[in-house]
Amino acid sequence: AQSVTQLDSQVPVFEEAPVELRCNYSSSVSVYLFWYVQYPNQGLQLLLKYLSGSTLVKGINGFEAEFNKSQTSFHLRKPSVHISDTAEYFCAVSLLSGNTPLVFGKGTRLSVIA
Amino acid sequence: DARVTQTPRHKVTEMGQEVTMRCQPILGHNTVFWYRQTMMQGLELLAYFRNRAPLDDSGMPKDRFSAEMPDATLATLKIQPSEPRDSAVYFCASGLVRTPRDGYTFGSGTRLTVV
Repeated sequence: AQSVTQLDSQVPVFEEAPVELRCNYSSSVSVYLFWYVQYPNQGLQLLLKYLSGSTLVKGINGFEAEFNKSQTSFHLRKPSVHISDTAEYFCAVSLLSGNTPLVFGKGTRLSVIA
Repeated sequence: DARVTQTPRHKVTEMGQEVTMRCQPILGHNTVFWYRQTMMQGLELLAYFRNRAPLDDSGMPKDRFSAEMPDATLATLKIQPSEPRDSAVYFCASGLVRTPRDGYTFGSGTRLTVV
């Protein structure tokens, strides 16, 4: 079975500072990796995904994530955050076959401070 | 953009009452999921369907929850009777099993408060 661990439940950061949200996964087979963002009172929106190929993937709103197979990690980064990035961020994994649902981490609440 | 539509957006009900939440998946998507989000548990998978057939509902309390897909354009989640501990945001998501690389599209959720 797959599992996802988001190491930080809350991350406060000042505006225009860089941020890294950490995600580690566990799986005995290859997986797809996703980051979703949830703005207040909204549903989850796909931020970016790793399918194969280059380990550095770029997403919307200036976010990027790096897949590290040896460390089974998929950390999310942004070089300079804005107030509008305040949201909950979820890391998730999916089997390549698509026969099982996404497995989510518990989320990291990013708070950007002016 | 194609959307997953959930109704109602908010629901306040008294303990013991029946609650029905509805979801309209994206046209053509053959897989539909119901998730529940709470502060304590995060996102929990309640049930999911493929081609309208239930594949797994092990995440649901069977005595009070039921999930159905009367047709390809409607999924329902029913709670009867409701309890205060059911207060949560319930999300529906849809996707295509043959393209897991696309992830799922989530609705905006139904915020349920049971008093």
